[in-house]
Amino acid sequence: SQQGEEDPQALSIQEGENATMNCSYKTSINNLQWYRQNSGRGLVHLILIRSNEREKHSGRLRVTLDTSKKSSSLLITASRAADTASYFCATQGTGTASKLTFGTGTRLQVTL
Amino acid sequence: NAGVTQTPKFQVLKTGQSMTLQCAQDMNHEYMSWYRQDPGMGLRLIHYSVGAGITDQGEVPNGYNVSRSTTEDFPLRLLSAAPSQTSVYFCASSYQTSGSGVQFFGPGTRLTVL
Repeated sequence: SQQGEEDPQALSIQEGENATMNCSYKTSINNLQWYRQNSGRGLVHLILIRSNEREKHSGRLRVTLDTSKKSSSLLITASRAADTASYFCATQGTGTASKLTFGTGTRLQVTL
Repeated sequence: NAGVTQTPKFQVLKTGQSMTLQCAQDMNHEYMSWYRQDPGMGLRLIHYSVGAGITDQGEVPNGYNVSRSTTEDFPLRLLSAAPSQTSVYFCASSYQTSGSGVQFFGPGTRLTVL
């Protein structure tokens, strides 16, 4: 069963605009990760945020984590056409045997 | 480094046929895993391995077998293919044995079962 649920399911913006995607999850986590998937390709890791962190940056990416609300957001600033892809959050639970659980993804379309 | 490689890229099977999806990585990662991706379902874990000789079931293991004889290879076997196994299959590896760290994904195998 999916732990993370992304919102919105689909997002269409123009180049230069910011894109924000949200992820909600149900149980306590050790870390939360964001991945990108270009059409027909494998997933590529973007950023990992641990449960004791509130915000991380990587280039044009900004990720926030609110463990009290069990939610995370991914902000892509100054979007480019090359950012067109599906974005997935993945959570790892607190149990020692917990594996990554992926959400259903947000499909981002950046138009010129 | 080639990273994680998967073969074949595409495969069409008839119901009842068996086949093996190949996965290899050259990063010396102990942790490897198989996922299937279906529309609207995200990725679901089929089987995983924390090292050579050690495998375990994930969320959706029925109909699939795995083995891990070397660190590099982690093949996924479909014993008797069913239309419900039509999906895109991804292999992934991670440097953290627990599987909690960053996952490196292969390009995927698109399988159709008729």
